[in-house]
Amino acid sequence: DAGVIQSPRHEVTEMGQEVTLRCKPISGHNSLFWYRQTMMRGLELLIYFNNNVPIDDSGMPEDRFSAKMPNASFSTLKIQPSEPRDSAVYFCASSRGQGANQPQHFGDGTRLSIL
Amino acid sequence: SQQGEEDPQALSIQEGENATMNCSYKTSINNLQWYRQNSGRGLVHLILIRSNEREKHSGRLRVTLDTSKKSSSLLITASRAADTASYFCATSNFGNEKLTFGTGTRLTIIP
Repeated sequence: DAGVIQSPRHEVTEMGQEVTLRCKPISGHNSLFWYRQTMMRGLELLIYFNNNVPIDDSGMPEDRFSAKMPNASFSTLKIQPSEPRDSAVYFCASSRGQGANQPQHFGDGTRLSIL
Repeated sequence: SQQGEEDPQALSIQEGENATMNCSYKTSINNLQWYRQNSGRGLVHLILIRSNEREKHSGRLRVTLDTSKKSSSLLITASRAADTASYFCATSNFGNEKLTFGTGTRLTIIP
């Protein structure tokens, strides 16, 4: 079975540029999560979708961050304009059911470096 | 804020020994989950234990939950080099659809 697929795996760009991260969840999963992992702050939930609808975006750092889920098999996380402090590993995860009551399946992440 | 805090932060043991990691949390939970993360990879789900359960097993893994002490432990028996990874606990609260992850325990198995 294909797991959660994220692209790109690595992204290096200059500050001020727009960055788009992509995620394909596991087929049949109806919850999708975007996380950010840094040494200083650990793993933080940015936004959570259920049935393609954003349920909780309280973790999105600021208006420079936006996320969409146009259909059940695709989601994007966009940063515009990017800043050096956005450098982190961004993970997408999906699960069956709703919320945090089921195991979450993670992609291998996008390592983002903003110069 | 971090809900789960793992202890110890780092642990090194000889291959074949048992490894125990602990997780403490602050508020009542709906369930607690343990995940493993290998270097450069995403998290992998290990075990989910619900608040009304006290112990669960999966292969060489044993998880206990003590809601009165707000703590959980993960035991890996007969450790192998491939168990080298970071281990995270994550909690979900009633009425809250988020998983909150702890800071992790870095486990190193020495061959």
